[in-house]
Amino acid sequence: AQKVTQAQTEISVVEKEDVTLDCVYETRDTTYYLFWYKQPPSGELVFLIRRNSFDEQNEISGRYSWNFQKSTSSFNFTITASQVVDSAVYFCALSEADTGRRALTFGSGTRLQVQP
Amino acid sequence: DTEVTQTPKHLVMGMTNKKSLKCEQHMGHRAMYWYKQKAKKPPELMFVYSYEKLSINESVPSRFSPECPNSSLLNLHLHALQPEDSALYLCASSRSGSAPYSEAFFGQGTRLTVV
Repeated sequence: AQKVTQAQTEISVVEKEDVTLDCVYETRDTTYYLFWYKQPPSGELVFLIRRNSFDEQNEISGRYSWNFQKSTSSFNFTITASQVVDSAVYFCALSEADTGRRALTFGSGTRLQVQP
Repeated sequence: DTEVTQTPKHLVMGMTNKKSLKCEQHMGHRAMYWYKQKAKKPPELMFVYSYEKLSINESVPSRFSPECPNSSLLNLHLHALQPEDSALYLCASSRSGSAPYSEAFFGQGTRLTVV
């Protein structure tokens, strides 16, 4: 069975604050992939990042950074100096390569509101 | 071109109607997906086509019928839907359906209302 948990349903911050979105996953596979997607009000999901289970290096892309820790089965996403345009629903997702389903299973999402 | 195009953007249909949702991509992707998303919920996988063959059907009711006429097109035929089928229907594509590492590119969705 696979499961992705995003415990934060909604987060509200003021512009320029840093914010971290949590993601915890469960899988029995040793090879798996984790993703983050952003869904703005327009509806389409925008791919942000992919991480495989063998690569625990943290990644930074501009104001975005990701912290992958296999020991705690977490793949957290931090936005530094948040902006109003960051307001969206963010989904963490899992795809398994060994025995599991090779399609995205999404967490329940975290709605981020960035106030001006 | 990194777009997945879905038509129509909005659709209202009666329970006795037959309609189709269309999805198109020109990225050379060989896997295409239908997801259903209810309000304030995550997308739920419905179907996966890999190399134009249906590879995953998530026990979706037969009133939803997918079709993949070629590698660029994906349709979802709708018949005798129920009001609870009202949702955002998202199409996605990825390089390969057998590659779990392939990121999926999503369209903007069709917002379906069944009356």
